[in-house]
Amino acid sequence: GQQVKQSSPSLTVQEGGISILNCDYENDMFDYFAWYKKYPDNSPTLLISVRSNVDKREDGRLTVFLNKSGKHFSLHITASQPEDTAVYLCAAVGYGNEKITFGAGTKLTIKP
Amino acid sequence: AQTIHQWPVAEIKAVGSPLSLGCTIKGKSSPNLYWYWQATGGTLQQLFYSITVGQVESVVQLNLSASRPKDDQFILSTEKLLLSHSGFYLCAWSLARGDTQYFGPGTRLLVL
Repeated sequence: GQQVKQSSPSLTVQEGGISILNCDYENDMFDYFAWYKKYPDNSPTLLISVRSNVDKREDGRLTVFLNKSGKHFSLHITASQPEDTAVYLCAAVGYGNEKITFGAGTKLTIKP
Repeated sequence: AQTIHQWPVAEIKAVGSPLSLGCTIKGKSSPNLYWYWQATGGTLQQLFYSITVGQVESVVQLNLSASRPKDDQFILSTEKLLLSHSGFYLCAWSLARGDTQYFGPGTRLLVL
């Protein structure tokens, strides 16, 4: 089964609003969580990542929240802009593991 | 600064023909290297990873093989392509186990 799930295939947010992207995981051994941004026909670019020993990390307009007990992490983008429109992939890696598991992606559209 | 190159950029191949995709990393010695594949509309899947020259671990069996002939080079290949091999192939590198992975520009493959 899918170990990392993004339940919303798409999300539309008004320009200036907060975009919230969600990711659920199943494996208790995951200890590194990341969000990647991907344009069509392009490779993913790392946006922000967090280890399991923290529950929140901010970087500019981006904040990742980690809820280990709920096996859930999310990406919040404040002051969303049209250039934020892209597919966002969540990813997780197990402790001591090389295998990174991606979610299926959420297509975020920011409407002017 | 580290740079990652993939070749070719795109390829159209016949079913049953051989394939060789390449990836090189410059500016970093002894990186961990990875191959990923994404079918059109599918989820990004890790195929192989390599921690050192000459050592490659398989993650997903797709009738493909990988080799690391040099510290900065990772090769993905098969002797006989299948239609299901079509998709987007990405190479990535990281500093260490479980660390952030950085992706190359990708190779788009169409098998007819």
